Amino acid sequence: EVQLVESGGGLVQPGGSLRLSCAASGFTFSSYWMHWVRQAPGKGLVWVSRINSDGSSTSYADSVKGRFTISRDNAKNTLYLQMNSLRAEDTAVYYCARESGSSHQRPYFDYWGQGTLVTVSS
Amino acid sequence: SYVLTQPPSVSVAPGQTARITCGGNNIGSKSVHWYQQKPGQAPVLVVYDDSDRPSGIPERFSGSNSGNTATLTISRVEAGDEADYYCQVWDSSSGVFGGGTKLTVL
Repeated sequence: EVQLVESGGGLVQPGGSLRLSCAASGFTFSSYWMHWVRQAPGKGLVWVSRINSDGSSTSYADSVKGRFTISRDNAKNTLYLQMNSLRAEDTAVYYCARESGSSHQRPYFDYWGQGTLVTVSS
Repeated sequence: SYVLTQPPSVSVAPGQTARITCGGNNIGSKSVHWYQQKPGQAPVLVVYDDSDRPSGIPERFSGSNSGNTATLTISRVEAGDEADYYCQVWDSSSGVFGGGTKLTVL
């Protein structure tokens, strides 16, 4: 059974940093591209970042570029999101999601974690 | 940046057909994916590549995509279908979601 379990969320002050983790199991993690998607309270889904299977290629939404870094440790079956210079507008539930292996040209997310809440407030 | 437009809400009686639209410039040239999200839960993929269904998703869920509009159709709507629905595409190396549509079953 595919499982994605996020952790690392919490309360952080504006300008602070936080690292999210996503532990994967039930599939060959090193074969799949992975994503982070966030959802502010009461709002819609917003794509954040993507990483390819070996970690050599990444992409980011403009709103987080230069502040967030996605990475992975295939030996530990874990995806990460390092978040720096956090702002109030980064407050959201952060989901990790697996990209379907069928096509990287038109990616979609076939499995999602349950999310971890990040609150940026003083 | 690419924009996807969804109606904020759609209401339908049980047993009827719900249609949720997703508008975008020449969206027919892209592959559209749809997710269902119930309160307090993670999203679930219900349609991918315009009209394909993942295993375990009822045949009542179907999709189409042409011109400037993609549509998720839910036939024989049930109370359990009440949820938020999001369309999604990939554009210029970025994921794009629609704003979401709340489906209310009357």
